[in-house]
Amino acid sequence: EAGVTQFPSHSVIEKGQTVTLRCDPISGHDNLYWYRRVMGKEIKFLLHFVKESKQDESGMPNNRFLAERTGGTYSTLKVQPAELEDSGVYFCASSSQGNYGYTFGSGTRLTVV
Amino acid sequence: AQSVAQPEDQVNVAEGNPLTVKCTYSVSGNPYLFWYVQYPNRGLQFLLKYITGDNLVKGSYGFEAEFNKSQTSFHLKKPSALVSDSALYFCAVRDRRSYIPTFGRGTSLIVHP
Repeated sequence: EAGVTQFPSHSVIEKGQTVTLRCDPISGHDNLYWYRRVMGKEIKFLLHFVKESKQDESGMPNNRFLAERTGGTYSTLKVQPAELEDSGVYFCASSSQGNYGYTFGSGTRLTVV
Repeated sequence: AQSVAQPEDQVNVAEGNPLTVKCTYSVSGNPYLFWYVQYPNRGLQFLLKYITGDNLVKGSYGFEAEFNKSQTSFHLKKPSALVSDSALYFCAVRDRRSYIPTFGRGTSLIVHP
């Protein structure tokens, strides 16, 4: 079984630019999660999809962040315009319905300069 | 609200010695508890989880964790550390009504030869 795939693995952009991160969950996993870790801090929840619907987006920091999940498959997280404080590692995870385990991707390291 | 505390930013241990990485949690009701490990330039890998049953949970790579309800702790342990265990370890908790785990700040484990 293929794992959770995220790309790009690294992205360096200037303040004010737009960046789109992509996550391909494990096939058949209805639940998809985005998390972010700022250096030295905890891994913070951003949002949760069930299939194509946003189940919980309480962790999204502000309206510069937009997440979508097309047809309940892959998901994108767009940051527009990026600010310095958006730098960090963005993790995606997926799980199947009723499963207690979460499979994480390798993360995208975003650096805003 | 649920929360996790990992009181140590870094744990140093000599190879062959036992190791403990501490985690305490706060959650409403009975928790689901998890440990994940992140090796350099890799994603989060699942180590073990506590759902119900025996308080001592055994996981991957020889790790185990003990659920202590009275102390609200879920410390990660290994009887004999390896240099290859050096990595970042994250504890996570979830209450039984939510799909969303809350993570700690992470503890850097350094095993010296």
